[in-house]
Amino acid sequence: AQSVTQLDSQVPVFEEAPVELRCNYSSSVSVYLFWYVQYPNQGLQLLLKYLSGSTLVKGINGFEAEFNKSQTSFHLRKPSVHISDTAEYFCAVTPANQAGTALIFGKGTTLSVSS
Amino acid sequence: KAGVTQTPRYLIKTRGQQVTLSCSPISGHRSVSWYQQTPGQGLQFLFEYFSETQRNKGNFPGRFSGRQFSNSRSEMNVSTLELGDSALYLCASRKEARFDYGYTFGSGTRLTVV
Repeated sequence: AQSVTQLDSQVPVFEEAPVELRCNYSSSVSVYLFWYVQYPNQGLQLLLKYLSGSTLVKGINGFEAEFNKSQTSFHLRKPSVHISDTAEYFCAVTPANQAGTALIFGKGTTLSVSS
Repeated sequence: KAGVTQTPRYLIKTRGQQVTLSCSPISGHRSVSWYQQTPGQGLQFLFEYFSETQRNKGNFPGRFSGRQFSNSRSEMNVSTLELGDSALYLCASRKEARFDYGYTFGSGTRLTVV
């Protein structure tokens, strides 16, 4: 079975500062990894995903994440945040190359960007 | 291109009643999944349907059920509602039931049980 731990429940930062949201996972098989963002009263929007290949994944809105297999981590980074990045961020995992599986989500990290 | 449409957006029901939520996937998407989101438990998988067949089911009681129609639209039903069923119910669609095809989520139905 897989599990995901988002190490920070809340991350407050100032506008234009860099940010890192941390995600560790546990799995005995190869995995696909995802980061989603949820704005208030909205569904989830995919930021980026790692399926295979390059361990540095670039996503939308200037976000990127690095897959580290030895550390079983998939941390999300942005070099300079904006007020509009204030939202809840979810890391998710699923077994690779298997049909009929579901996403397993972490508990979420609330990113609060202030001026 | 229209996104995933969930109706209704908000719903208030009384304990013991039943409720049906609807999800219309993106055109051409044959897989529909349902997730429950609560502050305490987070996002939890309910079930996935692909071409009218349930492909996978999460760890929820039998009061939670779903179905998919030939046009890929899906409904989920919760019978004998409990206060703990209050949640945001999210539907997600994708072309195939594989994760190299990404999910697109709808905006959800917020169910309040009183």
